Amino acid sequence: SQKIEQNSEALNIQEGKTATLTCNYTNYSPAYLQWYRQDPGRGPVFLLLIRENEKEKRKERLKVTFDTTLKQSLFHITASQPADSATYLCALDDTGGFKTIFGAGTRLFVKA
Amino acid sequence: SAVISQKPSRDICQRGTSLTIQCQVDSQVTMMFWYRQQPGQSLTLIATANQGSEATYESGFVIDKFPISRPNLTFSTLTVSNMSPEDSSIYLCSVAGRANEKLFFGSGTQLSVL
Repeated sequence: SQKIEQNSEALNIQEGKTATLTCNYTNYSPAYLQWYRQDPGRGPVFLLLIRENEKEKRKERLKVTFDTTLKQSLFHITASQPADSATYLCALDDTGGFKTIFGAGTRLFVKA
Repeated sequence: SAVISQKPSRDICQRGTSLTIQCQVDSQVTMMFWYRQQPGQSLTLIATANQGSEATYESGFVIDKFPISRPNLTFSTLTVSNMSPEDSSIYLCSVAGRANEKLFFGSGTQLSVL
């Protein structure tokens, strides 16, 4: 069956450290993978997209990697801040990009 | 980018009643998507709404339970019909950005069914 898996356990880290979140998928062949941030009571907000032919993508303190052999994406937040505390969702395209499928998300807590 | 206004933001409803959720976008878009997010779970696509045609429903969702209207390129509604407590969830509308490579979301509707 098709699955997108993210760590269900919350990730607690100290301010200034690097947070690393994992997304694994099974039985999909995505052309790209996306990461979103969701705060309580709000809709998800798009952060980054990485294509299947890209190994790594960076945006400010964010870095995403994509390994199509391992079927895995890693999402890094460097120099983390308490304001980075949120749920982070990975998502991928299905059926040629007309449908986006989401993982359940990982809750990140950054302590001051 | 797209700005999406969704209302109501939350509602508490009685079993057996229906609720219509409205979604207004600040620009014309071809496809609008309706998602459901149950507590602690991922977003699940309910249906895709294209202007001028019937909505396309995902497995497990049917038109009689979740009728959708799409009267123009900036507006859509989702109705949750004959509600039961199992329908308690967050309902989100979204639109695709350029090349369908990102989604923009409304703030969601928190629905509780008693």
